[in-house]
Amino acid sequence: AQSVTQLDSQVPVFEEAPVELRCNYSSSVSVYLFWYVQYPNQGLQLLLKYLSGSTLVKGINGFEAEFNKSQTSFHLRKPSVHISDTAEYFCAVDTGRRALTFGSGTRLQVQP
Amino acid sequence: DAGVIQSPRHEVTEMGQEVTLRCKPISGHDYLFWYRQTMMRGLELLIYFNNNVPIDDSGMPEDRFSAKMPNASFSTLKIQPSEPRDSAVYFCASSLRRDNQPQHFGDGTRLSIL
Repeated sequence: AQSVTQLDSQVPVFEEAPVELRCNYSSSVSVYLFWYVQYPNQGLQLLLKYLSGSTLVKGINGFEAEFNKSQTSFHLRKPSVHISDTAEYFCAVDTGRRALTFGSGTRLQVQP
Repeated sequence: DAGVIQSPRHEVTEMGQEVTLRCKPISGHDYLFWYRQTMMRGLELLIYFNNNVPIDDSGMPEDRFSAKMPNASFSTLKIQPSEPRDSAVYFCASSLRRDNQPQHFGDGTRLSIL
């Protein structure tokens, strides 16, 4: 069975600073990887996805993530955050055998 | 285009009552998923459908929970009888395919069982 670990439950950061949200997964087979964002009182919205090909994927709102197969990681990055990026971020994996398995989420708190 | 539509947005009811949550997926999507989100357990997949047929219901917590999809544009999640521990946000999502296509989420139903 696959699992997803988001190492940080909360990440405080100042506006315009860079940020990295960490995600590690475990799976014995090839995976598809996703990052979703959840704003308060809303559903999840897709930020980006890795299916195959280039290991660096770019998403919406200036976010990007890098797939590292040897480290089984899919960390999310943004070079300069805004107050509006304050939200909860979820990493998810799909091995093709079952629906998405989500991590526990990381709350990004951008401070002025 | 309309996204996934869930109703009601909020539901407060007393324990023992029947609760019905509703979902309208995006037109043309043939996969539909029901999730539950709580502080303690995070996001959990309850059940998903393909072409209106339940494929995996192993996440349904117990027999008090049931889900149906009578047609391609409508699904229900029912809890009977409800208990306080069922309090959570319930999300519905739909996608074109199950694996490498993104799931589109509704805004959720916040359920409180008193």
